[in-house]
Amino acid sequence: GDSVTQMEGPVTLSEEAFLTINCTYTATGYPSLFWYVQYPGEGLQLLLKATKADDKGSNKGFEATYRKETTSFHLEKGSVQVSDSAVYFCALSVQAGTALIFGKGTTLSVSS
Amino acid sequence: DAGVIQSPRHEVTEMGQEVTLRCKPISGHDYLFWYRQTMMRGLELLIYFNNNVPIDDSGMPEDRFSAKMPNASFSTLKIQPSEPRDSAVYFCASSPISLAGVDEQFFGPGTRLTVL
Repeated sequence: GDSVTQMEGPVTLSEEAFLTINCTYTATGYPSLFWYVQYPGEGLQLLLKATKADDKGSNKGFEATYRKETTSFHLEKGSVQVSDSAVYFCALSVQAGTALIFGKGTTLSVSS
Repeated sequence: DAGVIQSPRHEVTEMGQEVTLRCKPISGHDYLFWYRQTMMRGLELLIYFNNNVPIDDSGMPEDRFSAKMPNASFSTLKIQPSEPRDSAVYFCASSPISLAGVDEQFFGPGTRLTVL
């Protein structure tokens, strides 16, 4: 079945370090891909998305490129800040009208 | 727009009691989702509705759980009787219909349920 696999956390970085959180997926057809972020005590918020191969989603300095050949959607940021500390979820949707399938989440902790 | 509204934000109850969680989706959104989040199992879809009709309830753990959506602006998730293993954060999310495909889901702040 359809699934999302994220790298295990936690990821601990110093401020201004480069961030990569790996995400790979298994899906039939051509899914849409998402990254959501959950700050402490809050619900999930959409960070970025891509709906077709080679699309790049970007927001708040974060980027992810939809790679169909490697079935990946890795999240990157060139210089993290303490305020980026949160849990990041990769997700996919195979078609309109169906629920998102989430990965297990990766906790990012950034220290100053 | 106020976003997705959930109540209560925190609920502490004793085993065996009935618990009702409430959700008000964003106006105009056609889809409503209920998720449960735990450390062990991560984020799990419980059930979702389209235009107030349940579409997929395969994630509902057992008969103790039930969900309703009597109208477009309100949904409930009920647990009766509650058990300690139901302790989790329950999220409600809503999503608009999109001719272009899937649109993002907008999440509420969650209800933290503790069953003693």
